[in-house]
Amino acid sequence: ELKVEQNPLFLSMQEGKNYTIYCNYSTTSDRLYWYRQDPGKSLESLFVLLSNGAVKQEGRLMASLDTKARLSTLHITAAVHDLSATYFCAVDSNGNQFYFGTGTSLTVIP
Amino acid sequence: KAGVTQTPRYLIKTRGQQVTLSCSPISGHRSVSWYQQTPGQGLQFLFEYFSETQRNKGNFPGRFSGRQFSNSRSEMNVSTLELGDSALYLCASSLSLNQPQHFGDGTRLSIL
Repeated sequence: ELKVEQNPLFLSMQEGKNYTIYCNYSTTSDRLYWYRQDPGKSLESLFVLLSNGAVKQEGRLMASLDTKARLSTLHITAAVHDLSATYFCAVDSNGNQFYFGTGTSLTVIP
Repeated sequence: KAGVTQTPRYLIKTRGQQVTLSCSPISGHRSVSWYQQTPGQGLQFLFEYFSETQRNKGNFPGRFSGRQFSNSRSEMNVSTLELGDSALYLCASSLSLNQPQHFGDGTRLSIL
């Protein structure tokens, strides 16, 4: 079974600072997804990364994928309070199965 | 443009009963996926449908089943409900495979 590990699990950061969330997975996959979830709400799709070296950016968030290292990163630039949420990565195991990470709970402190 | 609609929003059932949840995707979206979210197990993938065909299925027992209709609407059914089936069930639709997904608000199922 494919395992997806995110770290850190909890992240408290000051506004204006930069930080990176890491997503490691255990078997080969060319497809990785990032989602955001606000407390008590549904999921919001952030990025779909489909190939090695893929990089996508939206506002203060940038995601990248290194399939050789089986690693994806979600980089936060100059954090603002509105980014406080739980972030999940998910990996598609060669079109067979879909596995989520445990989530990273991000709190941005003014 | 209407979003993904899941019905009902809340549901209370007792052990042994069965339940059917409905998902209406965004117009034009042909791919529908279902997920279960619980505090203990986190987010888990249930099914993925594309053009009425089940493409993938997660590691759930046969009590969990689903289908997609010709208008892309999807239903999932859980039979012989157990306490552990209490969860938030999320449906997501996308234009095609590997495209960004749009999520519904979910159905919160409680088993007594």
